[in-house]
Amino acid sequence: DTGVSQDPRHKITKRGQNVTFRCDPISEHNRLYWYRQTLGQGPEFLTYFQNEAQLEKSRLLSDRFSAERPKGSFSTLEIQRTEQGDSAMYLCASSLAEGQGAKYFGPGTRLTVT
Amino acid sequence: KNQVEQSPQSLIILEGKNCTLQCNYTVSPFSNLRWYKQDTGRGPVSLTIMTFSENTKSNGRYTATLDADTKQSSLHITASQLSDSASYICVVSAGGANNLFFGTGTRLTVIP
Repeated sequence: DTGVSQDPRHKITKRGQNVTFRCDPISEHNRLYWYRQTLGQGPEFLTYFQNEAQLEKSRLLSDRFSAERPKGSFSTLEIQRTEQGDSAMYLCASSLAEGQGAKYFGPGTRLTVT
Repeated sequence: KNQVEQSPQSLIILEGKNCTLQCNYTVSPFSNLRWYKQDTGRGPVSLTIMTFSENTKSNGRYTATLDADTKQSSLHITASQLSDSASYICVVSAGGANNLFFGTGTRLTVIP
């Protein structure tokens, strides 16, 4: 499968715990994006990378959230001291840098904070 | 204010019937418009992408239209199948790497 993959697909954690998600983009894609989606809503932009550089972060990305893409390939999204409001689907997408073509989304990681 | 509104919010149709989903936007400047299909618990999958100069694009049984003057788009699904049951999300790009504006989607349910 050469699409965008995310791991884990589901995560249940207790409030206050830290969680880390991984995204593996399509191999030739330079740009990698993280979105958060709550039930019945469209995805909300969190941050994006071009290669290893994190070029923009949304105001939604509080200081408890950190994302990395150390080698310009896979990316991790960490949430520290999780809160119940963090419960959502976390989507990763990738695209070619110069095109306006479609972003390819991964299957998402469903986070439930209890 | 940049917004994308979709209608209806939800739709139930019989298998084999056609349907049309609407998307109105106020995003400016306009770069392109995408329709995505999102199955429950899965990531969105791109169906079509249209730029300013394109007013129709097809992908199998899916046909998207774009009227850049009225800032409206539609997604027409012909001969619906049970597997078409999903949320359909309209996404408008204002240009730039991350200036995407998402609609809240139309939840389509196809029943036998």
